Amino acid sequence: DIVLTQTPLSLPVTPGEPASISCRSSQSLIHSNGHYYLDWFLQKPGQSPQLLIYLGSKRASGVPDRFSGSGAGTDFTLQISRVEAEDVGIYYCMQPLQTPITFGQGTRLEIK
Amino acid sequence: EVHLVETGGGLIQPGGSLRLSCAASGFSVSGAYFNWVRLAPGKGLEWVSSFYGVGHTYYADSVKGRFTISIDNSKNTLYLQMNSLRVEDTAVYYCATTGVPADLGGFSYYHYMDVWGKGTTVTVSS
Repeated sequence: DIVLTQTPLSLPVTPGEPASISCRSSQSLIHSNGHYYLDWFLQKPGQSPQLLIYLGSKRASGVPDRFSGSGAGTDFTLQISRVEAEDVGIYYCMQPLQTPITFGQGTRLEIK
Repeated sequence: EVHLVETGGGLIQPGGSLRLSCAASGFSVSGAYFNWVRLAPGKGLEWVSSFYGVGHTYYADSVKGRFTISIDNSKNTLYLQMNSLRVEDTAVYYCATTGVPADLGGFSYYHYMDVWGKGTTVTVSS
C-alpha cells in the first residue's frame, strides 16, 4: 500500500500569512501517462470534503487562486498564499494511483 | 447540477447489515465512476470502495468480503451493502464522484472526486 505522510499535523496561521503543507509518498505517484496522481482536499467543520487540487498542481473549479499545489515524484506541497478565516479545517492529500486509494493523516489548519 | 444524496445510515448492532444508498441527480450513473469514503470519529478520511464499471469494483482490505458496491441504473443510485458490521465500521459514509472528468488527451480521463454527498452516519454498537 502507498503510505502518505503529511506534515505538519497542526498548523496555526495568522490571517493574511502564507501556509504550506507537505505530503510525502512511500512510492512515486507518477502514472504512465506522465501525470502525478496526487489530490488535495479540504474538509471544513461540519462539511463534506471538497477537492482543491488534482494531478498534483491543477486547481479544481471554483477554488480560489490563493491555493496552489506543486511537487513531483514522492514529495508534494499545498500552499496557501494568504490564509483567510474560511480556510480553517482539515487538509488531506490522497493518491488514486493504485488501490487501495490512500489518504494522508490530515493537517488541521487553525487561525491564530 | 450534479448532486449526490446518501441515505440508509443508522444504529445497528455488531454483526448486523445495512444498505447505504447514494442517489444521483443531474447526471446518469451509467458509466460514471464512484467512490465510498468514510470518516470515523477522531480519525481521518478512509477510502472504502470504488466502482469503475461492471467487473471493476475495489475494496479496502478492512471491508473486503463484507461490503459490496453496486449500481442500479434504473434508479440512478449507487449502493453499499454492508454485512457483518463491526464497531470499527462506525463512521460518516460519503459517496463521491466526478462531475466532468479532466481530459488528459489520447482518450484518457482523470476521474477526480469533485462531487460529494453530505454523508450518512453509521453507528455500530450493542
